Amino acid sequence: DVKVTQSSRYLVKRTGEKVFLECVQDMDHENMFWYRQDPGLGLRLIYFSYDVKMKEKGDIPEGYSVSREKKERFSLILESASTNQTSMYLCASSLRTGQTQYFGPGTRLLVL
Amino acid sequence: AQTVTQSQPEMSVQEAETVTLSCTYDTSESDYYLFWYKQPPSRQMILVIRQEAYKQQNATENRFSVNFQKAAKSFSLKISDSQLGDAAMYFCAYRRKEGDNYGQNFVFGPGTRLSVLP
Repeated sequence: DVKVTQSSRYLVKRTGEKVFLECVQDMDHENMFWYRQDPGLGLRLIYFSYDVKMKEKGDIPEGYSVSREKKERFSLILESASTNQTSMYLCASSLRTGQTQYFGPGTRLLVL
Repeated sequence: AQTVTQSQPEMSVQEAETVTLSCTYDTSESDYYLFWYKQPPSRQMILVIRQEAYKQQNATENRFSVNFQKAAKSFSLKISDSQLGDAAMYFCAYRRKEGDNYGQNFVFGPGTRLSVLP
């Protein structure tokens, strides 16, 4: 079974802090994704990566950056957290482009 | 741009009964994939069922089946013999078959929260 893990289930940070969310997949998937999930808005793509050190902006990249130094790990970085980044963050991976995505358990981030 | 609409923010069903969740989408593409994902209260999103647009036969997966109406751009999910464990948020998703911007090939609907009543 594909396993996608995220470093934290819950996180509380203060405005202006730098925040790292980590995601690891164990199935040698090429593609990894970061979404945020907000009530009534579904999932919105922040960034995705189709290879090591490769990244592309999604629909809402502002205020975020990503890092993929190793194939199995994809990090989401909030350079200076703001209250409007309070949300649920979901990581996903897929074997190849456009194939079924497998999701991690999510990280609920609260920015005070 | 493609959009996915789920017009029912919340639904409830009695245990052992059947419920249908609706999903409509907008696209100019002729070939694509459609998915239903389930997100239980524990929050891990899992794939329920997948449909390829060029296949006329509706996909089924045990108690889960879809009614795919390509001309109407409708993709509803039917859950038969509902169980307490079916209670979750259900997301409909669309994916283009090809595209230059691979990550944006997936478009999710806003979700439908399903409650199962004992």
